[in-house]
Amino acid sequence: NAGVTQTPKFQVLKTGQSMTLQCAQDMNHNSMYWYRQDPGMGLRLIYYSASEGTTDKGEVPNGYNVSRLNKREFSLRLESAAPSQTSVYFCASTLSDSPNYEQYFGPGTRLTVT
Amino acid sequence: GENVEQHPSTLSVQEGDSAVIKCTYSDSASNYFPWYKQELGKRPQLIIDIRSNVGEKKDQRIAVTLNKTAKHFSLHITETQPEDSAVYFCAASRGQAGTALIFGKGTTLSVSS
Repeated sequence: NAGVTQTPKFQVLKTGQSMTLQCAQDMNHNSMYWYRQDPGMGLRLIYYSASEGTTDKGEVPNGYNVSRLNKREFSLRLESAAPSQTSVYFCASTLSDSPNYEQYFGPGTRLTVT
Repeated sequence: GENVEQHPSTLSVQEGDSAVIKCTYSDSASNYFPWYKQELGKRPQLIIDIRSNVGEKKDQRIAVTLNKTAKHFSLHITETQPEDSAVYFCAASRGQAGTALIFGKGTTLSVSS
């Protein structure tokens, strides 16, 4: 099993450009999450999807959109990138209706917006 | 909104000493409290978790305690080793377990030999 995978690993954007971060998991998890990590700020939840077909806002959703494409894939889109969106983005997944609630994280995408 | 506060932000100990990291949460409905360890440049990984119906849980050198009345939970690492050096994050479930997590801002633990 690959676990949670993310593409790309690194990306540099200019202000105003758009891009989509991809996330996929092969653990048959129903819930998926997008976080951003900034120095001294911990992990902040951007959006999550409790199950296929549903998405909900987290703590910092402004400037982002998400799509739960199917059970395996959950993408994060920046329509018009801003320097404030420079961050490391982590995708995570869990099987929310099991006794084990562990969230498994992907390796992260390091995004720089100039 | 929901909030998790974590202290201290940095902690330096000598090898063999104990380390304690404390968190408080605001959402009374939270019932799941995991702790994650993140090494430099790596992804966060779960090291221990506790449910609200349990007051304490231990796994070798790591233990977590929960005081639901006071909305406090703590991570205890005994006999620290240099490989324990990392950033540690506490988190609380946004309501029921299995839903989204709210993370603290992290504690950078340095263990010197």
